Amino acid sequence: RKEVEQDPGPFNVPEGATVAFNCTYSNSASQSFFWYRQDCRKEPKLLMSVYSSGNEDGRFTAQLNRASQYISLLIRDSKLSDSATYLCVGPGGGNKLTFGTGTQLKVEL
Amino acid sequence: DTEVTQTPKHLVMGMTNKKSLKCEQHMGHRAMYWYKQKAKKPPELMFVYSYEKLSINESVPSRFSPECPNSSLLNLHLHALQPEDSALYLCASSHATGTNRGEQYFGPGTRLTVT
Repeated sequence: RKEVEQDPGPFNVPEGATVAFNCTYSNSASQSFFWYRQDCRKEPKLLMSVYSSGNEDGRFTAQLNRASQYISLLIRDSKLSDSATYLCVGPGGGNKLTFGTGTQLKVEL
Repeated sequence: DTEVTQTPKHLVMGMTNKKSLKCEQHMGHRAMYWYKQKAKKPPELMFVYSYEKLSINESVPSRFSPECPNSSLLNLHLHALQPEDSALYLCASSHATGTNRGEQYFGPGTRLTVT
């Protein structure tokens, strides 16, 4: 089983929709997780950090469910500019991070 | 200011060339990283420097040679690369282990093509 697993998508949603991504992790001892956003041919950019049960920033909400070992990212009122690949990232020991394969989101008119 | 800079943005090199990628950060971070990313794949860790010392080498071929001249700079020296080494090379930085919660900040990357 991969340490961090995501549905690769693509998720095609209309503008204004609410979309949710889930990510499962295998190491029950993991404490901190991150969602990164990566646009095509660009670097990953930190979107949100998740240390406790959840975090909210504007239209974005991240939640951590330790009992079921998953992290979710909810995007409300999606915009065309939200189209990107969203990477779920967990700790990998020491300074390492463990990346999911990414979920592609396409927001359409 | 969460900024990591990388030069060059693009690099085309032949298999016999020697070139270097450069990375700089001024966030006071003491851990720096090199990643390699192929299309439609997540970043793949290559090297980690912690307090200017190499702490992790993910079994990277010796044709890639990292160097950390000081706490703000990270280089990746390239020699005798293969076409399959063509990829986006990303530099990242973070606070060192034990002092942070793990966020890494990425530079814009160098898109490398080996001909």
